[in-house]
Amino acid sequence: AQSVTQLGSHVSVSEGALVLLRCNYSSSVPPYLFWYVQYPNQGLQLLLKYTSAATLVKGINGFEAEFKKSETSFHLTKPSAHMSDAAEYFCAVSDLTFTSGSRLTFGEGTQLTVNP
Amino acid sequence: NAGVTQTPKFQVLKTGQSMTLQCAQDMNHEYMSWYRQDPGMGLRLIHYSVGAGITDQGEVPNGYNVSRSTTEDFPLRLLSAAPSQTSVYFCASSYSPSSYNSPLHFGNGTRLTVT
Repeated sequence: AQSVTQLGSHVSVSEGALVLLRCNYSSSVPPYLFWYVQYPNQGLQLLLKYTSAATLVKGINGFEAEFKKSETSFHLTKPSAHMSDAAEYFCAVSDLTFTSGSRLTFGEGTQLTVNP
Repeated sequence: NAGVTQTPKFQVLKTGQSMTLQCAQDMNHEYMSWYRQDPGMGLRLIHYSVGAGITDQGEVPNGYNVSRSTTEDFPLRLLSAAPSQTSVYFCASSYSPSSYNSPLHFGNGTRLTVT
């Protein structure tokens, strides 16, 4: 079975600092990987996804993630944090029978706080 | 576009009561699903449907029933609520489970408390 582990349930950065949210996956086959963001009292929105085309994936709002097979990682980064980035971030892996990423297994989530 | 609409937004139940959480989408999506979100556990899949008349169990289906009589609606039923079902419930849909570029669209959630 596929799974993802997010390292750090809470991450705090200063405005303008680098954002790094960690995700490691476990899969016996090449996975499809996703990052979703959840703002307070809202549902989840797709930030970006990896589907084996390119190892560096660019998403919305300046976020990007790099797929590293040797490290089984898919960490999310943003060069300069903005106050509006404060939210909860979820890494997810797709059940490969659902190639679109419909049936997902989510990590535990990382709450990002941005300090002024 | 309404997208994925969930009702109610909040609900308090007593143990043993039943209720239905409603989910409707207006995007003609084939795939619909229900997740529950609990602190420190991420989202866990309860049930899903790949089309009208077709449903299947996810990771945590016990205590929940679903049906899919139309493409638009995918209600989640709690037959006898238990405190362990206190959670935030999300409905999500996508155009097709077999389509390469078909991300999940989420509703805004239903916050359920069972006392």
